[in-house]
Amino acid sequence: DAGVIQSPRHEVTEMGQEVTLRCKPISGHDYLFWYRQTMMRGLELLIYFNNNVPIDDSGMPEDRFSAKMPNASFSTLKIQPSEPRDSAVYFCASSLGGPSTFGSGTRLTVV
Amino acid sequence: LAKTTQPISMDSYEGQEVNITCSHNNIATNDYITWYQQFPSQGPRFIIQGYKTKVTNEVASLFIPADRKSSTLSLPRVSLSDTAVYYCLVGYLSGGYNKLIFGAGTRLAVHP
Repeated sequence: DAGVIQSPRHEVTEMGQEVTLRCKPISGHDYLFWYRQTMMRGLELLIYFNNNVPIDDSGMPEDRFSAKMPNASFSTLKIQPSEPRDSAVYFCASSLGGPSTFGSGTRLTVV
Repeated sequence: LAKTTQPISMDSYEGQEVNITCSHNNIATNDYITWYQQFPSQGPRFIIQGYKTKVTNEVASLFIPADRKSSTLSLPRVSLSDTAVYYCLVGYLSGGYNKLIFGAGTRLAVHP
């Protein structure tokens, strides 16, 4: 298996633009998580899905953030409009209910 | 909500055994203890998980005393490639992943 695949690896965008981060979980995994990592706040859980259904989005910072999982093999995290403080590394992870496997992350820079 | 406390950083030398202790005084009956490793520019990677006593795999050992208020990750004979951040997490997987909180982790530096 290729593991959890995230795209793009790097994204640089201007403030106010829409940003979409993509994730392909490991085939067969029924949990999918989105995390954000910054130097100041460390790793934060934003939202997680079980069987494509959002279970807990209490970590989503504000309404500018949204996440979808239209099917078992794809999820998106969208930021609209983006702001400089959204600059971070965003990780997607998946699991079968046990320990998670993380992707390599998307480094987002909002200028 | 179980909170963990780990040393911010540790230094070691190649070939030594490294023990990283994590305190989790408020651990609940159903909570498991999980350790992850993170290299720069990579996502965290699962190392080991346990509930009580001792767990060993090809990478590390995890020691958990009877009261489960702490746990120790043991890395035998570390090499330069073990330089990373190590996270201790406490939570139970069926109870909602919002309970699995990543702390600041322990930054391990292995020197030649």
